[in-house]
Amino acid sequence: EPEVTQTPSHQVTQMGQEVILRCVPISNHLYFYWYRQILGQKVEFLVSFYNNEISEKSEIFDDQFSVERPDGSNFTLKIRSTKLEDSAMYFCASVRGYEQYFGPGTRLTVT
Amino acid sequence: EDQVTQSPEALRLQEGESSSLNCSYTVSGLRGLFWYRQDPGKGPEFLFTLYSAGEEKEKERLKATLTKKESFLHITAPKPEDSATYLCARGDSSYKLIFGSGTRLLVRP
Repeated sequence: EPEVTQTPSHQVTQMGQEVILRCVPISNHLYFYWYRQILGQKVEFLVSFYNNEISEKSEIFDDQFSVERPDGSNFTLKIRSTKLEDSAMYFCASVRGYEQYFGPGTRLTVT
Repeated sequence: EDQVTQSPEALRLQEGESSSLNCSYTVSGLRGLFWYRQDPGKGPEFLFTLYSAGEEKEKERLKATLTKKESFLHITAPKPEDSATYLCARGDSSYKLIFGSGTRLLVRP
């Protein structure tokens, strides 16, 4: 059964550094999302992406964040200058109908 | 105001002891009510989507039901491998998911 994959599984970075989180959605899916989950807290919506552009973004998704689909298969989330509070699990999801299928996540640790 | 509220926060059951998890949600702009299972350090695993009051869906020992303001996840004769956090989420008018805090289920043998 097709799955959403994410790399890396764990990323450690220093405050102020740029990170790129990668996702390979399920093929033929057209809508993609990024969510994050700070340890012990709810899963939170960050951004939705359709037809190579952002459909909606949350208040969390400020100018430090960007998304793109560079090659028709990968879907990336970039954080330009990481902060301590960006430490979280980041999940990519791709959509069939209205059902969102999540990847295994990338654990981002900012030191 | 929280759009999705789950109870209880944690639930301990003996193997075989059936129970229900509750999810209450705001109705305005609802585009589906979703249940996910999440194991520690993993991504949410899709279980069910419900769209209209009265709808029910089943998968193995799990059954999800929907009323106008609540959804229930019934677990019948649970096994230790059912231990996980169960997340409820509402799809909003733009189809993004708004999650609750989850119910941590522990099933003891």
